[in-house]
Amino acid sequence: QVQLQESGPGLVKPSETLSLTCSVSGGSISSYYWTWIRQPPGKGLEWIGYIYYSGSTYYRPSLKSRLTISLDTSKNQFSLRLSSVTAADTAVYYCARGDTIYGVAYFDYWGQGILVTVSS
Amino acid sequence: QSVLTQPPSVSGAPGQRVTISCTGSSSNIGAGYDVHWYKQLPGTAPKVLIYGNRNRPSGVPDRFSGSKSGTSASLAITGLQAEDEADYYCQSYDRSLSGVGFGGGTKLTVL
Repeated sequence: QVQLQESGPGLVKPSETLSLTCSVSGGSISSYYWTWIRQPPGKGLEWIGYIYYSGSTYYRPSLKSRLTISLDTSKNQFSLRLSSVTAADTAVYYCARGDTIYGVAYFDYWGQGILVTVSS
Repeated sequence: QSVLTQPPSVSGAPGQRVTISCTGSSSNIGAGYDVHWYKQLPGTAPKVLIYGNRNRPSGVPDRFSGSKSGTSASLAITGLQAEDEADYYCQSYDRSLSGVGFGGGTKLTVL
């Protein structure tokens, strides 16, 4: 059974960089879209971006200038770095595995989520 | 401002049938991209309910069904049960995002 687990600091200061790691167990990190999705408190889901196992990245346009998603196949992990954060980046951050059907990704395995608060 | 539009809330009595709509545009559903549906209980991660418009992962009851037509999609739940009370999200690919778009979510209340 594939499992994903987010890790990282739960509190980040404004203007600093938010860094999270997702550890994947129970399956290979190949052949899927490894994805970050966030959910501000009381709000809906927002796709942040994903990285294909080949290393190609796809980012939400509004976050692209601040965002880096990377993959470490040797550790079965992928990571998120979001720079220059503000209070608007406060959210539960989920990592997820994206499978595809007719080229459209859907998310079949999710981490439990980690709340990241941006505050001084 | 989500690229897919869902009603904020729907409700139904136990045993009834409810539907949740997901309205898109020529940038997403209308362009032919598939729609997926998720169920999210409070404090937990979403779980895929329907993928590829109408396919159910193993373990999802056949009370849940999906359909798509034109620029819209729908999730139908029959034989409503108390444990169906949750938030439901639709998702597709959106050309303006060059990536994934979600609906704003619909809160289902079982009366």
